Amino acid sequence: QKEVEQNSGPLSVPEGAIASLNCTYSDRGSQSFFWYRQYSGKSPELIMFIYSNGDKEDGRFTAQLNKASQYVSLLIRDSQPSDSATYLCAVKTSGGYNKLIFGAGTRLAVHP
Amino acid sequence: NAGVTQTPKFQVLKTGQSMTLQCAQDMNHNSMYWYRQDPGMGLRLIYYSASEGTTDKGEVPNGYNVSRLNKREFSLRLESAAPSQTSVYFCASSERGGWGETQYFGPGTRLLVL
Repeated sequence: QKEVEQNSGPLSVPEGAIASLNCTYSDRGSQSFFWYRQYSGKSPELIMFIYSNGDKEDGRFTAQLNKASQYVSLLIRDSQPSDSATYLCAVKTSGGYNKLIFGAGTRLAVHP
Repeated sequence: NAGVTQTPKFQVLKTGQSMTLQCAQDMNHNSMYWYRQDPGMGLRLIYYSASEGTTDKGEVPNGYNVSRLNKREFSLRLESAAPSQTSVYFCASSERGGWGETQYFGPGTRLLVL
């Protein structure tokens, strides 16, 4: 069973701080990694995707991938209360079609 | 451009009743997906359609059937609803379904089975 694990949280950070969200996956052959944000009662929306080892930056968001350790993370700099949401890690595993395996999500709370 | 739309938004069923959840996308995407999301769990794939005319099972297909009516529409049917099917259902689509392709989600259908 291919799995994606996330700490459920809540992760509580003060406004302006860096929030660090982590995800591990079991399928060593996984190729593509996605971070989705989901506000309460809403649908998931894509924040970032990453394919290669290292860092990928987009505005206040940085995704980090370490395939050797089977680990992907999302850093949110200068966290804002509007960043409070659940963050879902999704992994396209090896083989088969474009099927994503989702983690259960980490709830982030940014307090003023 | 509405993206992915789903109907209904909410539904209450009694055990044994049937219903169909509708999904449509206007992005000319080839691939479409149905997920369910339960508290404390990630999204789980029920069925997907790589292209018009094809459907395949995902992780949790039991108790569901699907129809890819045309390129735009992908419906999910519960023939005999059970309380275990109480969940939030999301439809998603992607352009071709290829390697690492982004999936876009609809607003969801909240289903309660009594």
